Amino acid sequence: RKEVEQDPGPFNVPEGATVAFNCTYSNSASQSFFWYRQDCRKEPKLLMSVYSSGNEDGRFTAQLNRASQYISLLIRDSKLSDSATYLCVVNLRFGAGTRLTVKP
Amino acid sequence: NAGVMQNPRHLVRRRGQEARLRCSPMKGHSHVYWYRQLPEEGLKFMVYLQKENIIDESGMPKERFSAEFPKEGPSILRIQQVVRGDSAAYFCASSPFGESYEQYFGPGTRLTVT
Repeated sequence: RKEVEQDPGPFNVPEGATVAFNCTYSNSASQSFFWYRQDCRKEPKLLMSVYSSGNEDGRFTAQLNRASQYISLLIRDSKLSDSATYLCVVNLRFGAGTRLTVKP
Repeated sequence: NAGVMQNPRHLVRRRGQEARLRCSPMKGHSHVYWYRQLPEEGLKFMVYLQKENIIDESGMPKERFSAEFPKEGPSILRIQQVVRGDSAAYFCASSPFGESYEQYFGPGTRLTVT
């Protein structure tokens, strides 16, 4: 089993849609959780840290479920500019990434 | 505040040569991480270093690869006797404290082995 597994995608959604990504991890002792986005295989850009209490930043909400060992990212009111690959990171280990395309 | 800097941005080596990739962390950051991204694949953790110390090298191939982060100067990822399979993008990231903190990535070095 991979250390970090992520929805393979791709996700193709219309503008304004709500989309959710999940990411499961195998190490129950994991302590650090993040979401990044990567455009066209450039460097990953930090999107959000993920805290046990959940956190929100504008249209983005991240949650952590320690009991089920997964993290999630919710994007509301999708914009064209949200098109990218979304990467979860757990204890320095990246998921394979989920490709999102937002269409007009 | 300058971001993470990596050089060279592109590197071409023939099989059997050595490749040296450099990473200068953000100012004030003393923790450096190296990742490799093969074509059509995700980022794979290689090594985590703090000044003069290797903290976690569990992702490093056992042979030909080494990394250092000296007291002065950039972190270096060294690949000896490169092979075609080493062709990839190598990203460096830094953080101000340990691995529980956000990492900021450099633009990467694209290594091509001919």
